[in-house]
Amino acid sequence: EDQVTQSPEALRLQEGESSSLNCSYTVSGLRGLFWYRQDPGKGPEFLFTLYSAGEEKEKERLKATLTKKESFLHITAPKPEDSATYLCAVQADWNSGGATNKLIFGTGTLLAVQP
Amino acid sequence: DTGVSQDPRHKITKRGQNVTFRCDPISEHNRLYWYRQTLGQGPEFLTYFQNEAQLEKSRLLSDRFSAERPKGSFSTLEIQRTEQGDSAMYLCASSSIDKRGNTIYFGEGSWLTVV
Repeated sequence: EDQVTQSPEALRLQEGESSSLNCSYTVSGLRGLFWYRQDPGKGPEFLFTLYSAGEEKEKERLKATLTKKESFLHITAPKPEDSATYLCAVQADWNSGGATNKLIFGTGTLLAVQP
Repeated sequence: DTGVSQDPRHKITKRGQNVTFRCDPISEHNRLYWYRQTLGQGPEFLTYFQNEAQLEKSRLLSDRFSAERPKGSFSTLEIQRTEQGDSAMYLCASSSIDKRGNTIYFGEGSWLTVV
């Protein structure tokens, strides 16, 4: 069964203290791995899509990397405004086990950055 | 690009009543998705449309739930005979395939509270 596990569940950082969030996945063929940011009471905000192992993408203080089993979201010198829940999701490949367009989400990592 | 729009943002209803949510996707996006999210969990897939065709439905979508996308533009999600367990945030998302790949954008969600 396709599955996504995120760790840690919660992370508290001091402003400027870099760290990484982990997303481990099992899927019968990966079409894409997605990272989203979600603020309380709001919908997920798109950050990145990664398609193949070795791929990396960056946006401001965030950098996402992908291997065949997991993805990392690296946060460099975070600021309080980076506080949010970060969600990881996978979309299975069309060629494996039938067609699907759904995203399978993890439960997220709640990040708190203190000034 | 005005983003994915959802209405209403909040709905409180009595158990047994019917509710309907509307989603206006990003214009030119031919793919539309509905998800449900409860507190502390990641979004769970409900259904997927490509243009006006409903191509995929989750087992979560009981016979009390129905979704439509007439003319391949806006979509509605109706819940009949609501139950307390239906209380959640209902998220709509849209996407298109372009040279950047598959980018799925979410709306701000519609909160449902069944009392």
